[in-house]
Amino acid sequence: DTGVSQDPRHKITKRGQNVTFRCDPISEHNRLYWYRQTLGQGPEFLTYFQNEAQLEKSRLLSDRFSAERPKGSFSTLEIQRTEQGDSAMYLCASSLDGSGRSGRWGNYNEQFFGPGTRLTVL
Amino acid sequence: QKEVEQDPGPLSVPEGAIVSLNCTYSNSAFQYFMWYRQYSRKGPELLMYTYSSGNKEDGRFTAQVDKSSKYISLFIRDSQPSDSATYLCAMRKNTNAGKSTFGDGTTLTVKP
Repeated sequence: DTGVSQDPRHKITKRGQNVTFRCDPISEHNRLYWYRQTLGQGPEFLTYFQNEAQLEKSRLLSDRFSAERPKGSFSTLEIQRTEQGDSAMYLCASSLDGSGRSGRWGNYNEQFFGPGTRLTVL
Repeated sequence: QKEVEQDPGPLSVPEGAIVSLNCTYSNSAFQYFMWYRQYSRKGPELLMYTYSSGNKEDGRFTAQVDKSSKYISLFIRDSQPSDSATYLCAMRKNTNAGKSTFGDGTTLTVKP
């Protein structure tokens, strides 16, 4: 397994267009997360899935944003009617859930991040 | 005000120096603390994870947590040019929580 992958790596779009990003998690991971990171800031949590279920959504995730993970494997994040303020790096991460699994950090669901998709809205 | 505050730097040190990176937080519900390293144009990578007050060591890295002061630190001993990156602290309310809350990162440059 090569880790978390994201596609595309870069996307330039015009204001008002819709964009969709894809994330492929580490294959045995049942959790998948989306974060947004702007220049000079830390990642901000958007949402996460456990298997197919979307368990938590940030209020940052306005009604123009929708995320899906239909089969519990890859996920898509769609932004409708993009605005210049949506320009950011969109990071995906995956993990096991923390229940009774032992790893490097014990029973802890370490999040492994992908390389991100950089979105520029003109 | 942000829940997690981190001095953005930039921080520049000579090779071999001891580096100290710090974060403060306001939400006492945070119980689990992480340090990530992020190289330019890459995703964050976990360096250290801890949940108890005190010190935790891993090679050249030591994570320190003081829950009474809501203050965490990461120390890097014998710093190397390859340590040049942005360091992010992050926190969670419990080990199985989905959401991590990040600081804005400190940019470190280690000069040869």
